[in-house]
Amino acid sequence: GAGVSQSPSNKVTEKGKDVELRCDPISGHTALYWYRQSLGQGLEFLIYFQGNSAPDKSGLPSDRFSAERTGGSVSTLTIQRTQQEDSAVYLCASRKPTGGTEAFFGQGTRLTVV
Amino acid sequence: GDSVTQMEGPVTLSEEAFLTINCTYTATGYPSLFWYVQYPGEGLQLLLKATKADDKGSNKGFEATYRKETTSFHLEKGSVQVSDSAVYFCALKGIYNQGGKLIFGQGTELSVKP
Repeated sequence: GAGVSQSPSNKVTEKGKDVELRCDPISGHTALYWYRQSLGQGLEFLIYFQGNSAPDKSGLPSDRFSAERTGGSVSTLTIQRTQQEDSAVYLCASRKPTGGTEAFFGQGTRLTVV
Repeated sequence: GDSVTQMEGPVTLSEEAFLTINCTYTATGYPSLFWYVQYPGEGLQLLLKATKADDKGSNKGFEATYRKETTSFHLEKGSVQVSDSAVYFCALKGIYNQGGKLIFGQGTELSVKP
C-alpha cells in the first residue's frame, strides 16, 4: 500500500486480556517505530526497529509490552494482561534508513481497556 | 537525554490572526528538527523540517527557523485559517540517534474560530 497501515483501527478489550496490534510499514522502509499517545499526553516512544539490528526497546513501559517484526516488514505490538492505563492510541511509523528523512505515520489503533 | 518542550495549549485564535507556537529543545550537537500536524481524525503528517542551524522550514504558509543559539524551532503563520485547527507536535532526531527515534513534545492544540 501507499502508506503505513495499522489494524485494527479500534480495539476494546477487557482488563487482563492480551491484545495484538499490527503495523504494515511502507514498502522499502527499514526503520519502524511504535509510539503511544495517551489522552492529553504527547507521543511516547515505545520501540524502534532498524533492519536486522537489535531493536531499541528502551521505551517499553513494562514487561507486559513486547513487539516483533517479522521478515523486516510487518510488526506486531503485544500487550499482555492489559490494564486500564494502557488505554491510548498506538501509532506506528516507518522511515527510510538514511538519516534526516521524515517518518510516515499510520492512523493508529485506539485501544480501550474496560 | 534529548528532549523537546512545547508551549501548552489549547490555543484559540480568530481567523487571519498571527500564530506562534513555541518549541525549545535540549540535545547534543545539531539535531534534525520537525513539526508534525495531526488534523482531527487523521494521522500525523510532517508539516516542515530543518536539518541544520539557521535553516528555515516552510510549508502551507507555516514557517519555523532552526535557532541554535536559543535552541528553538518556533512555528509561525501569518494568517491562520479555520482549516489549520489541529494538534501540532515539535520533534527532534538526535545526531547520536538514540536508536534513530524521534522525540516529540507534548503537542499544542490549535483551534481557529471564524
